Amino acid sequence: DAGITQSPRHKVTETGTPVTLRCHQTENHRYMYWYRQDPGHGLRLIHYSYGVKDTDKGEVSDGYSVSRSKTEDFLLTLESATSSQTSVYFCAIRASGGSPDTQYFGPGTRLTVL
Amino acid sequence: AQKITQTQPGMFVQEKEAVTLDCTYDTSDPSYGLFWYKQPSSGEMIFLIYQGSYDQQNATEGRYSLNFQKARKSANLVISASQLGDSAMYFCAMREGIFGNEKLTFGTGTRLTIIP
Repeated sequence: DAGITQSPRHKVTETGTPVTLRCHQTENHRYMYWYRQDPGHGLRLIHYSYGVKDTDKGEVSDGYSVSRSKTEDFLLTLESATSSQTSVYFCAIRASGGSPDTQYFGPGTRLTVL
Repeated sequence: AQKITQTQPGMFVQEKEAVTLDCTYDTSDPSYGLFWYKQPSSGEMIFLIYQGSYDQQNATEGRYSLNFQKARKSANLVISASQLGDSAMYFCAMREGIFGNEKLTFGTGTRLTIIP
């Protein structure tokens, strides 16, 4: 258990509304990530953070923004949700020590945009 | 070209038999890491095993082992003595380079069903 929680776990929203998903970790990990999972695509990286206020884009960042004002929280915002953003969103942390580079995932958030 | 290819969308295996899940990868970077994750029907992603490109021996973790064939660019997951609880989706993933690349590239997964 990497001490990662995500909220909300399920959300239904309407096209055009803003949505913020929260990832919270309790173990002071420097690196945090947001992925989305869609059928036929596996998981794809949206954004990641390498420290407080330090973020960078991933493979599918269009339509998403992120913020990290505290080590423990990494927020993913959909400024104006679209139906193509219906997906399962996973937060992850990169653990230091042990197997190098291993990312551990939170429980996921299922987002439906109507 | 796909970076990670998992050619078996679904597999059915008798309980207690060994199972091999295929994964091939494509990279020109000499430094990379290969990962396997399990996703049960409950939805969480569970890390199983890791293999580094410079590791001389195949990785093992309990009933999981990784059959790493570098020249063939394959990293197959082997599960020995399969159990009903092994029924899940399994994803192979790769991180290229050691520094400066934070992206894990995932395959599309293999759905494994263990038959009692």
